[in-house]
Amino acid sequence: SQQGEEDPQALSIQEGENATMNCSYKTSINNLQWYRQNSGRGLVHLILIRSNEREKHSGRLRVTLDTSKKSSSLLITASRAADTASYFCATESDSGSRLTFGEGTQLTVNP
Amino acid sequence: DTGVSQNPRHKITKRGQNVTFRCDPISEHNRLYWYRQTLGQGPEFLTYFQNEAQLEKSRLLSDRFSAERPKGSFSTLEIQRTEQGDSAMYLCASSSWIDTQYFGPGTRLTVL
Repeated sequence: SQQGEEDPQALSIQEGENATMNCSYKTSINNLQWYRQNSGRGLVHLILIRSNEREKHSGRLRVTLDTSKKSSSLLITASRAADTASYFCATESDSGSRLTFGEGTQLTVNP
Repeated sequence: DTGVSQNPRHKITKRGQNVTFRCDPISEHNRLYWYRQTLGQGPEFLTYFQNEAQLEKSRLLSDRFSAERPKGSFSTLEIQRTEQGDSAMYLCASSSWIDTQYFGPGTRLTVL
């Protein structure tokens, strides 16, 4: 079964706008990771945030983690048409073990 | 290209046939994972190896599924007596001791 739940399931925005996706999970975690997947392709790792971190940045990406609420958010600033993809959060409960994925958010950025 | 590679990229088979997929991880990575992804869903864990040892198997991995990682390098995933419900994307990932899992492009299986 899926641990994470992404919200919203689908998001459509205009190029240049910011996109925010949320993820909730159920059990304690070691870290939380965000991945991107273009249609029919493999997953590309975006960012990893550890359970003792609250915020992390990478380029146009900003991730927050609230372990008390068991939730995370991914913010993509100044979106581009090329950001159109599915975005998944995945949690790792123990170091080096399985990832448990949510069902993903389908982001469409309109030019 | 030093990323994770998977072969074949696509496989179409008839119900009841056996299929085998191969994954070549990033060379210095000692952990290798298999996941399955159906349309519109996130990947689901199947099994993982540390070196040549298979450390965990999901209950999704029925008796028809077997995975190996001889010599702790590449891995194979075999599905025997395929069923239509096995149609999915099979993803392989690798990582070092405590690090990000890097995914391959996947093998898309269609069972007719």
